[in-house]
Formats: sequence, structure tokens, C-alpha cells
Amino acid sequence: NAGVTQTPKFQVLKTGQSMTLQCAQDMNHNSMYWYRQDPGMGLRLIYYSASEGTTDKGEVPNGYNVSRLNKREFSLRLESAAPSQTSVYFCASSVRQGYQPQHFGDGTRLSIL
Amino acid sequence: KNQVEQSPQSLIILEGKNCTLQCNYTVSPFSNLRWYKQDTGRGPVSLTIMTFSENTKSNGRYTATLDADTKQSSLHITASQLSDSASYICVYNAGNNRKLIWGLGTSLGVNP
Repeated sequence: NAGVTQTPKFQVLKTGQSMTLQCAQDMNHNSMYWYRQDPGMGLRLIYYSASEGTTDKGEVPNGYNVSRLNKREFSLRLESAAPSQTSVYFCASSVRQGYQPQHFGDGTRLSIL
Repeated sequence: KNQVEQSPQSLIILEGKNCTLQCNYTVSPFSNLRWYKQDTGRGPVSLTIMTFSENTKSNGRYTATLDADTKQSSLHITASQLSDSASYICVYNAGNNRKLIWGLGTSLGVNP
């Protein structure tokens, strides 16, 4: 019962490096989301994809790009990592288009030095 | 000031005891309010979702209440277990594709 799977679980980067966070769901959900969670702040939406082939900016999209590769996969890319992007990143999905997230992955803990 | 306020910020109780967590919101309109449980090092897991017309909803030992007039919701945990140790987050949804407003959570510790 995988649900939402995120890789990697942990990553340390140097400022300026790039990387892609991977997310896949096996529930045939239409919508997928990327959030970041920082101490003292609620979860903040980075990007979401209401359905395959569409992506939209959330609250904090600067410095990130996304790709909805197919219905299952939604990746998040940091082109030039900055220390302010140190965070825990969560991918989530929902069955209905544009609905709020129902299932979350276990996160990627990203540190940028 | 956050538009969704949760209290207490943290709480420690003994195993077997009951507890109630509070969530107050100041925004409108209202579509629904969802409670999540987040274990340390894991993603949030949805416990209940409440719409405007619902004032009580249960999921096992978890019971959520909603008072739309006072803009308050509570999550009551009955006969707590060690596995209930987690952060509990309420999330407000104004509907019409407006952004969700996440509370900061209540950290609950259950001791033997």
C-alpha cells in the first residue's frame, strides 16, 4: 500500500546546486501538490497540478519548477538551491481535480549549505 | 496574526486520558475544515473533514466538532494511546479555489 512515494528522503546540497525531488502516487488521483513545511509556519503550497498536463503556481513558487510527467508522477526542481529553501518538502494528491490534498507522502528533508 | 489559531500549542497527557484540542478561525466564507494528524517524520494524515452543515463527526476515538457561529472547531481524543503522540493540524478551506489556511498545530505527547 504505497500511496504517495517521495524520493529521496534526505538530501544535502550546496548553494547553487540543482536537484529534482520525485513524487509518485498509485491511487489514480487526478490532482497532485507540492508543499513545504518550515518551523513556526503552516504548510505552504509551492505548486499544484489539478490534472495531468496542467500545473499552477501556489503561494511560494519562486525558485522552483515542476513537471507533471504523467498522471502518477509530479516532480519538483530546484534550479539553483539557496539556503532559504532548506525545508521539508511534501508531495500530496487528491482524487478530485483541484480539491484539497487527501494523501501525503512522508517528505523529503532538504538542507542547503 | 494567523487566521487559523490552534490551542494549546503543546500538551502532555497520561495514557488513557481524554483531551480536547481547539481550532479558531477568523476568516469567511466557509467551505470545510479538516483535521490532520502528523507523526514525527511523516506526512499529515487526514482524520476528519467537516462541512458547514456538520457539527460533529467521528473517526474512531477522534471526534471533531464545528460551531460555525463562533468559528470554532475542536478535536476530542478519547482514551488516549501512546500512538496518539503527534502534531494535530487544522486546515480551513474557504472554497472556490481559494488557498487553504493551515494552522500551526498542537503537539500532543501521551506518556505511559
